[in-house]
Amino acid sequence: QEQLVESGGGVVQPGTSLSLSCAASGFTFSSYAMHWVRQAPGKGLEWVALILAAGTHKYYADSLKGRFTVSRDNSRNTLYLELNTLRPEDTAVYYCARPLGVTHAFNVWGQGTMVTVSS
Amino acid sequence: DIQMTQSPSSLSASKGDRITITCLASQDVGTYVNWYQQKPGKAPKLLIYDASDLHTGVPSRFSGSGSGTHFTFTITNLQPEDIATYYCQQYDNIPPITFGQGTRLEIK
Repeated sequence: QEQLVESGGGVVQPGTSLSLSCAASGFTFSSYAMHWVRQAPGKGLEWVALILAAGTHKYYADSLKGRFTVSRDNSRNTLYLELNTLRPEDTAVYYCARPLGVTHAFNVWGQGTMVTVSS
Repeated sequence: DIQMTQSPSSLSASKGDRITITCLASQDVGTYVNWYQQKPGKAPKLLIYDASDLHTGVPSRFSGSGSGTHFTFTITNLQPEDIATYYCQQYDNIPPITFGQGTRLEIK
């Protein structure tokens, strides 16, 4: 079945970097745009980034101010998110999500990976 | 950026009740609004897409309506398993995609 599995989360200090991965299976990964969405503890959902199917176009939430980079390897069916200069407010569960067809309705989600930024 | 103002932030209802959640968009988003259900510790689940289309496998007691700036999400015949937080989301003229603040639903 269609599945996304995130990995790479952990506890890191402010100012450091972390790389997240999202392994896709059960569908043609290279045919879909992919998104990252995060959720701080006890808070709502926040869209983070979008990468189109070919990986040529990438879009980010303004609040990230260039600190995060989304990428993908269609040969490995894997989506990535590089998080740089991490701040305590980046503490959240990070989800990768696949849209439904050509919409941006997310019908496939990973289980999420927790990133904690703390000294 | 387009803001989605969701209300109420929480509500309590009884089994069998009908509940409605509203999302107001800060500008016209057509019908590019989706609705999600999220249970504690779980990823969100898509219920309604493009304002009123029921996602595959979602019970028909869930419905959505609206266009432009005013959107509603309704659950009829509320069931105990509907306890969750519900979010609206818009995707017109992205980026960015934006979510409402969420509505926490409790069963009396």
